[in-house]
Amino acid sequence: NAGVMQNPRHLVRRRGQEARLRCSPMKGHSHVYWYRQLPEEGLKFMVYLQKENIIDESGMPKERFSAEFPKEGPSILRIQQVVRGDSAAYFCASSRGEQDYGYTFGSGTRLTVV
Amino acid sequence: DAKTTQPTSMDCAEGRAANLPCNHSTISGNEYVYWYRQIHSQGPQYIIHGLKNNETNEMASLIITEDRKSSTLILPHATLRDTAVYYCIVRVKISGNTPLVFGKGTRLSVIA
Repeated sequence: NAGVMQNPRHLVRRRGQEARLRCSPMKGHSHVYWYRQLPEEGLKFMVYLQKENIIDESGMPKERFSAEFPKEGPSILRIQQVVRGDSAAYFCASSRGEQDYGYTFGSGTRLTVV
Repeated sequence: DAKTTQPTSMDCAEGRAANLPCNHSTISGNEYVYWYRQIHSQGPQYIIHGLKNNETNEMASLIITEDRKSSTLILPHATLRDTAVYYCIVRVKISGNTPLVFGKGTRLSVIA
């Protein structure tokens, strides 16, 4: 029973490139959450998605960031035209939604912008 | 903003109980107390949650005061592998899934 799978584990991008981070939730989980953790800081909520729907994107930067969770396939967090300040660990979590004890987190993707 | 207050850091001797406090004086009647931890560079890990009764599982015990304004997470026999940042979070359990809001947590260092 695989947990939440995130890939890649490490991603290096030059300023101005696009970064795509993938998250496959646990089997049976249809709710996905993305968090960002800047170096030496806490986790900040970014976006919450159910299949094909964005439920809460209150933590997403207004520009350059987008997320999707299609009917088939993993959830994708997309960062366009990356800047050095986007360097962080990005964590994905999933849950069943109802009656959940909490989230199961993946191991994260560490994005470095050079 | 997180609705909890935790000490920034704590030390604990290996093999002793680690008692991590959390204040949540504005907690609502339908809000649960959740504890997560984050071991260096890993994703957060769920530990335990409770509403008003004390709870225990294979990882820890959660003691919630009668007025529910504070709680304590207890790791009965801390090991070096318990060194991590511990987050106390209040959240309505079944709420249309309002996201978990993490504060700064307590950095627990277990010392040999």
